[in-house]
Amino acid sequence: GAGVSQSPSNKVTEKGKDVELRCDPISGHTALYWYRQRLGQGLEFLIYFQGNSAPDKSGLPSDRFSAERTGESVSTLTIQRTQQEDSAVYLCASSFRRGSGANVLTFGAGSRLTVL
Amino acid sequence: SQQGEEDPQALSIQEGENATMNCSYKTSINNLQWYRQNSGRGLVHLILIRSNEREKHSGRLRVTLDTSKKSSSLLITASRAADTASYFCATAFTGTASKLTFGTGTRLQVTL
Repeated sequence: GAGVSQSPSNKVTEKGKDVELRCDPISGHTALYWYRQRLGQGLEFLIYFQGNSAPDKSGLPSDRFSAERTGESVSTLTIQRTQQEDSAVYLCASSFRRGSGANVLTFGAGSRLTVL
Repeated sequence: SQQGEEDPQALSIQEGENATMNCSYKTSINNLQWYRQNSGRGLVHLILIRSNEREKHSGRLRVTLDTSKKSSSLLITASRAADTASYFCATAFTGTASKLTFGTGTRLQVTL
């Protein structure tokens, strides 16, 4: 597609439920990132996928968080047993990076998660 | 934390004035980027400066990088109301060039 697409744009859930957030990157972009942004704060790195390499999961805050990506296409971020502290905007970004070149990210509009 | 920090946290200026925001970071970098965010949603890339560059221009934007002080500044000249947004620096640290770490952001308000 023309841009990075995220769904749902808004999700309200009850504490303890599982949620899935989806990201459709730009076609041909080999790298995909998930970030979390709490209200009024900066971006917190969660996970990074690059091609067929093992993902960098160093930012996932707990084992309730997981993400998958099939090849160089869609990614799903899953949050199990949601807590109120998980309320945030979850931002996905993709990039096309060759070798050691710089990574310039194209962001989606984000998925706003509210846990009641 | 490797996260960069911007200052000021918030900046309010009048249209036509220049806006300067700063970013500091802690470890050596491959490159530093500036992004803009409107209304708390997706970010848009503005400009990238590599570690061997000291200054870069793009339209009304001027970015400087001082690797000895581990800091960068973003200057927006002749600001417009439409420049109202949050601005973030993002760094690609040496050795983890694939991972961009974002700062805490500067909220810029440009009034008429």
